[in-house]
Amino acid sequence: QKEVEQNSGPLSVPEGAIASLNCTYSDRGSQSFFWYRQYSGKSPELIMFIYSNGDKEDGRFTAQLNKASQYVSLLIRDSQPSDSATYLCAVTGTASKLTFGTGTRLQVTL
Amino acid sequence: GAVVSQHPSRVICKSGTSVKIECRSLDFQATTMFWYRQFPKQSLMLMATSNEGSKATYEQGVEKDKFLINHASLTLSTLTVTSAHPEDSSFYICSASYGSSPYEQYFGPGTRLTVT
Repeated sequence: QKEVEQNSGPLSVPEGAIASLNCTYSDRGSQSFFWYRQYSGKSPELIMFIYSNGDKEDGRFTAQLNKASQYVSLLIRDSQPSDSATYLCAVTGTASKLTFGTGTRLQVTL
Repeated sequence: GAVVSQHPSRVICKSGTSVKIECRSLDFQATTMFWYRQFPKQSLMLMATSNEGSKATYEQGVEKDKFLINHASLTLSTLTVTSAHPEDSSFYICSASYGSSPYEQYFGPGTRLTVT
C-alpha cells in the first residue's frame, strides 16, 4: 500500500467551476499535511498546509482534513486555466519527513 | 521571502563523470536542507536530509558514496553525483526549511541532469 495516494487524473473541470482534489494516507500518526502545485518541468510550489481537522481557507483554496478517515482534500474555487498543473499531496509522518503522493493532474478548460 | 536557488538549472554530462549541484537559501538561514529526485511522471522521492555541519541522513536505497552531500553553511548545500550513469538522469530538487517548523519546506527550481 502506498503511503500517500492520489488519483493521477487528469481531472478536467471547466473554467469557473470548483476543482476537488483528494488524497488518502496510510500513517495514522501523520502530523502535517501539505498541498503543492507543480507545473510541468518546474519544482513544487507550496499552496497550503493544514494541521488540524476541519477546513482551512486561503483565497480560492480550501484544504480539508479528516484524520479519522485519513483523508485530505483541496478545493479550488473559480478554477482558472492557470490552475492547470499537477497537485501534489504531501504528508509528514512519524519520521518527520515529507512523503509525497504521485500527484493529480488538473486541467481547467475554457 | 523564503527563496531557494539551485545551480545549474540544466546540466548534460558524459557517463562516468561527476556533477555538482548547488542549493542556496537566499534570504533565510536553512537549518535543514533536503534533496529529492523526480523521474518523469513520478512523485518526488526524498534522497537525503542534511543539517548544517552534520553528515547527511540518506534514505534507504540511496547510495551515500554515489550521491555526496555537503552542507557547509546555513545557506548552502551541495549534491555531487559521482560517476554518473544514464540511469541517474533525473530532475533533482532541493528544499530548505528553517525555524521551529521543519515541515514547511521551500523548494528550489530544480536541476535537470542528463547523462549521455
